[in-house]
Amino acid sequence: DIQMTQSPSSLSASVGDRVTITCRASQTISNYLHWYHQKPGKAPKLLIYAASSLQSGVPSRFSGSGSGTDFTLTISNLQPEDFATYYCQQTYSTPLAFGGGTKVEI
Amino acid sequence: QVQLQESGPGLVKPSQTLSLTCTVSGGSISSDDFYWSWIRQPAGKGLEWIGRIYIRGGTHYNPSLKSRVTISVDTAKNQFSLKLTSVTAADTAVYYCATAPRGIASPFDYWGQGTLVTVSS
Repeated sequence: DIQMTQSPSSLSASVGDRVTITCRASQTISNYLHWYHQKPGKAPKLLIYAASSLQSGVPSRFSGSGSGTDFTLTISNLQPEDFATYYCQQTYSTPLAFGGGTKVEI
Repeated sequence: QVQLQESGPGLVKPSQTLSLTCTVSGGSISSDDFYWSWIRQPAGKGLEWIGRIYIRGGTHYNPSLKSRVTISVDTAKNQFSLKLTSVTAADTAVYYCATAPRGIASPFDYWGQGTLVTVSS
């Protein structure tokens, strides 16, 4: 099974900051890596798919990069609505797996 | 736009079977173009994929739960269901249904709102 490891598990940031979250797969997953964010009491929402493609309707301050085993989600100019928990997910093989999450706090 | 809605008991006794249904609207569960998945999240913890099904009857389950899980489809009702047997307190979680286009690069693009299931006597 492929394990997904995110870092950091939490971070503190301010409005306007640039934030970077990393996700590492235990084996190569090509670019079959997706990013979601989740607010308390809500379902996750897709932000980035296939490592670097922006989901329709998602602000351009979100960007993704990486391939193989190492991936990055960057939020530039952090906005108040971006304080949430972020998850990466691989779809290279089953069992599908999520990272442990990164909580972005003020 | 596809909408998903979970339903089922919010309280299940230990050793019994957890049964949930996801009703799909705005799309056909009979389409072979989509996977229909169940995902769960214990309070304060991360997301765990339980398994998925597609209309031709193919299923994939997480090995960690495989011996206890069954996912099935009811095309007449445009629903898919989850059964998890022999539950314990560790199965207490918010359960989500979600869908993804079939294909290796496809993420979950539609989710239900989630339903909390508590396992307790």
